Amino acid sequence: QEQLVESGGGVVQPGRSLTLSCEASGFTFSRYALHWVRQAPGKGLEWVAVVSYDGGNEYYADFVKGRFTIFRDNFKNTVSLQMNSLRAEDTAVYFCTRMRGSDGAFDLWGRGTMVTVSS
Amino acid sequence: SYELSQPPSVSVSPGQTATITCSGDALPTQLAYWYQQKPGQAPVLVVTKDTERPSGIPERFSGSSSGTTATLSISGVQAEDEADYYCQSADSSGFYLVFGGGTRLTVL
Repeated sequence: QEQLVESGGGVVQPGRSLTLSCEASGFTFSRYALHWVRQAPGKGLEWVAVVSYDGGNEYYADFVKGRFTIFRDNFKNTVSLQMNSLRAEDTAVYFCTRMRGSDGAFDLWGRGTMVTVSS
Repeated sequence: SYELSQPPSVSVSPGQTATITCSGDALPTQLAYWYQQKPGQAPVLVVTKDTERPSGIPERFSGSSSGTTATLSISGVQAEDEADYYCQSADSSGFYLVFGGGTRLTVL
């Protein structure tokens, strides 16, 4: 069964750091680009970042550029999001999602992990 | 930064057709995708590549795109279709993705 499971969420103070992880199973992890998408409480979906299938390319939304880093380990089947200089507006559920190469759609999502930035 | 615009809400009676639009300057050159999200759940892909319906999605879901507007149509709306719907695409470079603000579909 294909699955993505996020972990690492929690409560963190403004200005501090947190690293989220997403573990994949049931498919050939190294064939897919992986993304992080977030959703603030009661708000819409926001694309955060992508890492290419081989880890060679990364792209970030403007609102996290310079603060967040996405990286993957194709041996451990994990993708991570290191989040530095966290702000209250980063409070959200963070979803890990797989992009299908054949059409560019997000075809597999995790259940998300909640990050709360608060003093 | 690039934005996609959706109406915040759409309401229809059961059996009617719901139409949700998504506007963006790069849509003439970038594909649109549509996701359904129900409370407390992860999004589910309902239309891919502007017009294609993924396996397992009911035939009543369809997509179209013309110029700077992509459209999701749900014909014969059922109570179970009540959800938030998001369009998703990319900017003109293709590297930076974006979601529309979402449309809440209410089945009256």
